Amino acid sequence: DGGITQSPKYLFRKEGQNVTLSCEQNLNHDAMYWYRQDPGQGLRLIYYSQIVNDFQKGDIAEGYSVSREKKESFPLTVTSAQKNPTAFYLCASSKSVPSYEQYFGPGTRLTVT
Amino acid sequence: KNQVEQSPQSLIILEGKNCTLQCNYTVSPFSNLRWYKQDTGRGPVSLTIMTFSENTKSNGRYTATLDADTKQSSLHITASQLSDSASYICVVSFRNQAGTALIFGKGTTLSVSS
Repeated sequence: DGGITQSPKYLFRKEGQNVTLSCEQNLNHDAMYWYRQDPGQGLRLIYYSQIVNDFQKGDIAEGYSVSREKKESFPLTVTSAQKNPTAFYLCASSKSVPSYEQYFGPGTRLTVT
Repeated sequence: KNQVEQSPQSLIILEGKNCTLQCNYTVSPFSNLRWYKQDTGRGPVSLTIMTFSENTKSNGRYTATLDADTKQSSLHITASQLSDSASYICVVSFRNQAGTALIFGKGTTLSVSS
């Protein structure tokens, strides 16, 4: 999985609770990304960060929040405001801008009931 | 509208056979096109990346082609193996006001049976 780790592999939460997904990379990449994958759909970008202490909203940022305090770490918080949080979440990193190859983590499957 | 369409949606073949997956895009201005392999429950892994000037690129039994004029790409898998069973995702990179963005296809699910 290219030096990117995500934890946990599976996560279960009750509706109304916030939950934070971990993403760490040791590739010395500047850029990091969070995607959501639902059955039958392409990956959709939630947030991305091209540099420490800076991040930008992707296509479906509502109900999510991120931080980038360290180059190696880009945690994603799924808040109670996210209407349909159950999904497969993928973290990725690249050398810099998205035109460079992205390396993906193993993913976290979040189930909210 | 920038879009990436993949076909077929799913495919079943016998071990040892060849197959070709298709990717058509309407993304502009084009930067590069990538093919990823995603095993069930895992993250995608890059197979090839092609720029505008590249027509063909191989990675072992995987060969990708790109026709930038017709905006079509294909991924050919030779002598398929059971381990080729996965989802194959076409991703097109394009330049926008923010810099560069990616459009992901929905993928083709390949099942190789013995």
